[in-house]
Amino acid sequence: KAGVTQTPRYLIKTRGQQVTLSCSPISGHRSVSWYQQTPGQGLQFLFEYFSETQRNKGNFPGRFSGRQFSNSRSEMNVSTLELGDSALYLCASTASGRRGAHGYTFGSGTRLTVV
Amino acid sequence: DQQVKQNSPSLSVQEGRISILNCDYTNSMFDYFLWYKKYPAEGPTFLISISSIKDKNEDGRFTVFLNKSAKHLSLHIVPSQPGDSAVYFCAASFGNEKLTFGTGTRLTIIP
Repeated sequence: KAGVTQTPRYLIKTRGQQVTLSCSPISGHRSVSWYQQTPGQGLQFLFEYFSETQRNKGNFPGRFSGRQFSNSRSEMNVSTLELGDSALYLCASTASGRRGAHGYTFGSGTRLTVV
Repeated sequence: DQQVKQNSPSLSVQEGRISILNCDYTNSMFDYFLWYKKYPAEGPTFLISISSIKDKNEDGRFTVFLNKSAKHLSLHIVPSQPGDSAVYFCAASFGNEKLTFGTGTRLTIIP
């Protein structure tokens, strides 16, 4: 059973540009959540999608957006990139809305560097 | 507003000894708690969880303790092994809400 797949693994962008990250959840999983990991800040919640609808949203500016497709694949977009957006972006999936005994299954992340 | 706190950024333990990682939370609504382990360049992987109706859960070398009155949980690893060196995150949730993570503790096992 394939895990959560995130592409690309690494990305370097210039300030002011925009970027789109992709996440393919485990087959059958309908909930996809996105987190930002930076040193000292742990994992900060961005948003969660369930059956193509955004169900939860974290405290990030409107430059951060996402969507989910009918096949449960999800993308997140960051516009007008800032140096502070440099981070590891993690995607996690779960079968239903409920966390379940094992919570989320995470992908390996996309390392975004803004220069 | 950090609702889940891991106050020790790092911890070093001798191989074979017990590792104790601590986590505090402020939101009394949390009813489910989890520990994740993360290696560099990989996503976090689930380690062990506990429901708020329990105060202890064991899985092999890993035991999680929950003290609801103190809003505190801890992860015990016995005996510690070199492969346990990683960053450990505690997380909490309630209902169908998102997982809220702590800032992580880097555990180093000294051979």
